[in-house]
Amino acid sequence: GAGVSQSPSNKVTEKGKDVELRCDPISGHTALYWYRQSLGQGLEFLIYFQGNSAPDKSGLPSDRFSAERTGGSVSTLTIQRTQQEDSAVYLCASSLEPTGTLPGELFFGEGSRLTVL
Amino acid sequence: SQQGEEDPQALSIQEGENATMNCSYKTSINNLQWYRQNSGRGLVHLILIRSNEREKHSGRLRVTLDTSKKSSSLLITASRAADTASYFCATGNNAGNMLTFGGGTRLMVKP
Repeated sequence: GAGVSQSPSNKVTEKGKDVELRCDPISGHTALYWYRQSLGQGLEFLIYFQGNSAPDKSGLPSDRFSAERTGGSVSTLTIQRTQQEDSAVYLCASSLEPTGTLPGELFFGEGSRLTVL
Repeated sequence: SQQGEEDPQALSIQEGENATMNCSYKTSINNLQWYRQNSGRGLVHLILIRSNEREKHSGRLRVTLDTSKKSSSLLITASRAADTASYFCATGNNAGNMLTFGGGTRLMVKP
């Protein structure tokens, strides 16, 4: 597609349920990021995938959060046993492989708004 | 924790005025990027400045970087109502991987 696609755009779930959020990056982009944004706040880094390297999971807030990237393309962020504090917009971004040690421009999806009741 | 911190958190100006937003960061960086976010949307890349650059221009945007002070500024000249958005700085670390975002400046341009 032309841009980064995220689904669902909105998800309302009950506390304790599991949710899966999907991200389709731009074709050819080797780097993929997940960020979380609470209302009116900045972006909180969650996880970063780069090519075939082991992902940087340092931002995942708890072991209820996990993410995978299949075939170097589509990524799924899974939140198990959701809590009310998980309510936020989850943003995915992709970029071309870094040039040397410089992270490149990120292209963002429109986000998945998660509401945990 | 956030690497970059924007200042001010909110800014309200009249159309035609210039808007200046500042970003401070803590650790060494390779580059610094500015992004814009319209309400309820994803972020859009505006400009990237490398650590060995001091100033960069793109249309009505001017970005400066002072690595000795670990700070950057984004200037929007001749602002328009359509510039109303949140603006974020993001820093790339020396490991060349993730970008860390600040809390953003919410800019309102009144017509």
